[in-house]
Order: sequence, then C-alpha cells, then structure tokens
Amino acid sequence: QKEVEQDPGPLSVPEGAIVSLNCTYSNSAFQYFMWYRQYSRKGPELLMYTYSSGNKEDGRFTAQVDKSSKYISLFIRDSQPSDSATYLCAGRRTGFQKLVFGTGTRLLVSP
Amino acid sequence: DGGITQSPKYLFRKEGQNVTLSCEQNLNHDAMYWYRQDPGQGLRLIYYSQIVNDFQKGDIAEGYSVSREKKESFPLTVTSAQKNPTAFYLCASSIEGVGQPQHFGDGTRLSIL
Repeated sequence: QKEVEQDPGPLSVPEGAIVSLNCTYSNSAFQYFMWYRQYSRKGPELLMYTYSSGNKEDGRFTAQVDKSSKYISLFIRDSQPSDSATYLCAGRRTGFQKLVFGTGTRLLVSP
Repeated sequence: DGGITQSPKYLFRKEGQNVTLSCEQNLNHDAMYWYRQDPGQGLRLIYYSQIVNDFQKGDIAEGYSVSREKKESFPLTVTSAQKNPTAFYLCASSIEGVGQPQHFGDGTRLSIL
C-alpha cells in the first residue's frame, strides 16, 4: 500500500464548477500536508500548506485535513480553464525532511 | 526574481555515460533536494542536503551522486550505474526548520539515446 493515495483522474468539470480533489494517507505520523499544482513540463508549484487537522483558505482554494480518517482535500471554487493541471498532495512527518507524494490527479476544466 | 533554476531543460545520455544536472537557487535556502518523477508514480526522493558539505541518501539513491560545495548549488550526477535513467528530474529547496514547505524548479527531462 502506498503511503499517499490519489485517484489519477482525469477529472473533467465545466468552467465555474466547484472541484474537490482528495487524498488518503496511511502514516498517522504525518503532521504537515501540502498541495502542489503541476502544469505539463513544469515543476510543482506550492498551492496550500497546512499543519495537522483543520481548514485553510486562500482565495479560491481551500485545503482540509481530517487526521481521524487520514483524508486530505483541496477544494477549488469557480474553477477556470487555467486550473487545468495535475494536483499533487504530499505529507510529511515532524522532524523529517522527506515529503511523501501521491501520484497526482489530473484536472481538466472546460470553457 | 528569487527562484530555483534547473539546467538544461532537456538532456540526452548515451549508454555508459555520466551526466550532470544543474540546480541553482537564490532563495538563501539551507536545504536542497532532488526528486525523480515517472509517469504514474509520485515524486521519489533521490538525495537531500540540509547544509553545505553534507547530504543524505533518499529512497532511490543508487546510480546517482551529488555534491553540495556551495549553499546555492546542488548538482546531481546520473551515473552509468543507473540502468533506467529516463525520467523528469526535479530540484527543490526549503528553509531549514520544522515543517518548512519545499519549492521546486522547472525540471530537467533526461532521455536515453
């Protein structure tokens, strides 16, 4: 079993839809969680960074962590075609440098 | 502009050849990392360095080598011992400290001739 699991997609939505992207993880020692957006042939760009459980909002993006169920989510409101990319979630243990990534979910937002 | 610069963008390797990928950052970050990305797999850690002249192996270090002679630079050599080197290589850096997020360069795509 992989430490971080993501559905690879693609997830196709119309412009303006609310998008929900999800990951599950197995390591209960993870305390830090990140969402990255990666466009084709580019490096991942940090979108959201959260510590432990709870919600964090930044513009159209909301990250949610539920440590009791080992479930992390990224919500995108008013999705735009420019949001079309692969979204990677990652977890990290306190005191460890290593990030453990999911395989990514490909999102397609059609105009 | 501060950032992480990886070069070259595309690189081709012949059989039995070592190649070196460059990674430079001007963010004044202490820690630097190398990841490998393959289709259908998450990013996998090759090596990381928390301070100059020190580095640690990640999950897939075999067939790779690194050096950290300067804070700004963390080159990765893909040696001939790496039998499946075709991949997208990503360099990242972070401020040293508990839980600091990593920021990535735009990668180098390595292919075999």
